[in-house]
Amino acid sequence: DGGITQSPKYLFRKEGQNVTLSCEQNLNHDAMYWYRQDPGQGLRLIYYSQIVNDFQKGDIAEGYSVSREKKESFPLTVTSAQKNPTAFYLCASSILAEVTYEQYFGPGTRLTVT
Amino acid sequence: AQKVTQAQTEISVVEKEDVTLDCVYETRDTTYYLFWYKQPPSGELVFLIRRNSFDEQNEISGRYSWNFQKSTSSFNFTITASQVVDSAVYFCALSEAPMNRDDKIIFGKGTRLHILP
Repeated sequence: DGGITQSPKYLFRKEGQNVTLSCEQNLNHDAMYWYRQDPGQGLRLIYYSQIVNDFQKGDIAEGYSVSREKKESFPLTVTSAQKNPTAFYLCASSILAEVTYEQYFGPGTRLTVT
Repeated sequence: AQKVTQAQTEISVVEKEDVTLDCVYETRDTTYYLFWYKQPPSGELVFLIRRNSFDEQNEISGRYSWNFQKSTSSFNFTITASQVVDSAVYFCALSEAPMNRDDKIIFGKGTRLHILP
């Protein structure tokens, strides 16, 4: 089945540690996105990538980093510089590098940093 | 600037009642796209509908219907004969026609819908 996988579903880390969230898609989509969701909030864009080896900052990129070495993969690293990393992280993809097309989402990773 | 407002933070209705979720948007463009997504308790957002700014026809899909009115900048979502499985958070979103690589999709804060048995 085609879709987006994110692993793990739940992730626990100690403060000061970097952590990498996985996102893989087999939909052959060009564009991929990372969002952060906090309780009672909408989705806020962290980073997005429209083609391999290229990505752009979203609204809240500080304290995060990404890479896009393969079309299928768009991992997100939450660095120790991120002040409030505990959140629900959603990865998404869309068929073309235009946001006018609908996005398909993965199941999300809930990160807890203590 | 782009903005999406979902004024209803949380709604509770009894099963089989109809319910309407409101969405009001702001945009500087004449060409734009509107979306609705459903987020069930599992967390994954599910795409429901995409509508471009030139198509004001109402859309019906089973128990779901959407009312797009450019005059009031609204794109409301109605569930008819609600069911417990409709319980979720619903997000409205807006994207302006891509003019450059910085265009993004903007989500509202969502409406949490509780369908009571």
